[in-house]
Amino acid sequence: QKEVEQDPGPLSVPEGAIVSLNCTYSNSAFQYFMWYRQYSRKGPELLMYTYSSGNKEDGRFTAQVDKSSKYISLFIRDSQPSDSATYLCAMSANSWGKLQFGAGTQVVVTP
Amino acid sequence: DGGITQSPKYLFRKEGQNVTLSCEQNLNHDAMYWYRQDPGQGLRLIYYSQIVNDFQKGDIAEGYSVSREKKESFPLTVTSAQKNPTAFYLCASSIGDYYQETQYFGPGTRLLVL
Repeated sequence: QKEVEQDPGPLSVPEGAIVSLNCTYSNSAFQYFMWYRQYSRKGPELLMYTYSSGNKEDGRFTAQVDKSSKYISLFIRDSQPSDSATYLCAMSANSWGKLQFGAGTQVVVTP
Repeated sequence: DGGITQSPKYLFRKEGQNVTLSCEQNLNHDAMYWYRQDPGQGLRLIYYSQIVNDFQKGDIAEGYSVSREKKESFPLTVTSAQKNPTAFYLCASSIGDYYQETQYFGPGTRLLVL
């Protein structure tokens, strides 16, 4: 069993819809959670960085962490075709610790 | 422009051949990393270096080697001992201990076996 599970998709949504992405994990020691966006044939870029449980909002992006369920989510409001990419979750037990990545979910936003 | 450059964009390896992937950064970051990305598996850490002339193995170091002679450069050699080298290779750099929030990735090198 992988330490971090992420549905690979693809997830197809119409422009303007809410995109809902999630990851589950098995290691209860994870406290730091990240979401990356990766465009095709490019390197990932950090979107959201959160610590412990709760919500964090940044523009159209909201990250949620539920440590009791070992479940994290990323929501993208008012989705645009430019949001079409692969979204990777990553997590770690310490702020300096090695990251464990999910496999990534491919998102397609259709005009 | 500050950033990370990787070259080449595509690399072809013949059986038994060693190949070297280049990674250069001008961000003045102390730490540098190499990851491998395979379909359906996410990113896996190959090697990392916190400081010049020092580096540590990651989760999948077998069949790879690195050097860190300059702060700006962290080349990765894929040796003939790596039996399944076909993958997308990503280099990253960060500000030392705050690497999770400051880790920048390069554009990647796609390695294919002939």
